[in-house]
Amino acid sequence: EDKVVQSPLSLVVHEGDTVTLNCSYEVTNFRSLLWYKQEKKAPTFLFMLTSSGIEKKSGRLSSILDKKELSSILNITATQTGDSAIYLCAVEAGLGAQKLVFGQGTRLTINP
Amino acid sequence: DGGITQSPKYLFRKEGQNVTLSCEQNLNHDAMYWYRQDPGQGLRLIYYSQIVNDFQKGDIAEGYSVSREKKESFPLTVTSAQKNPTAFYLCASRQSNSPLHFGNGTRLTVT
Repeated sequence: EDKVVQSPLSLVVHEGDTVTLNCSYEVTNFRSLLWYKQEKKAPTFLFMLTSSGIEKKSGRLSSILDKKELSSILNITATQTGDSAIYLCAVEAGLGAQKLVFGQGTRLTINP
Repeated sequence: DGGITQSPKYLFRKEGQNVTLSCEQNLNHDAMYWYRQDPGQGLRLIYYSQIVNDFQKGDIAEGYSVSREKKESFPLTVTSAQKNPTAFYLCASRQSNSPLHFGNGTRLTVT
């Protein structure tokens, strides 16, 4: 069974701190890994990673994939209260199939 | 504007009744998905469809059914066989090798 595990499940930090969120996976025929931010209802897309070792960056957020370790990290520097959300990791797997499996999510709370 | 529309936003049903959640997209995407989210948790895949008239079970398909008669529509029926149907249901779509686009979800409460 395909599995995606995120850690930690919950994290509380102060504004200005740097955080690292983890995502590990065990899937058949890995195709890509995606990160989403969910604040209220619909998750919004952050990054899509397919190649190992290449960092993707958007402002204070960055992410990298390690196919050897079957994992990815999402870094957020100089955190702000607006970064408070659930961060979701999803993996696309399967031969010819577009099955996307999500992890449990990390609930990040940024205190002022 | 292109997007995914889920309706209704909130749905209340009595135990033992079947209920159908609507999902429509005008993005011309081939693949569509249904996920369930319980409080404080991630998304669990119920069903997905890559093309019209074809769909596959996800990890928690028991007690649910779907149809894909049109490219733009992928309704989900929550049957009375689903033991814990109260949850937040998210519909999504995508084109190959691109990110998922999500609807705003339907919150189903069964009492």
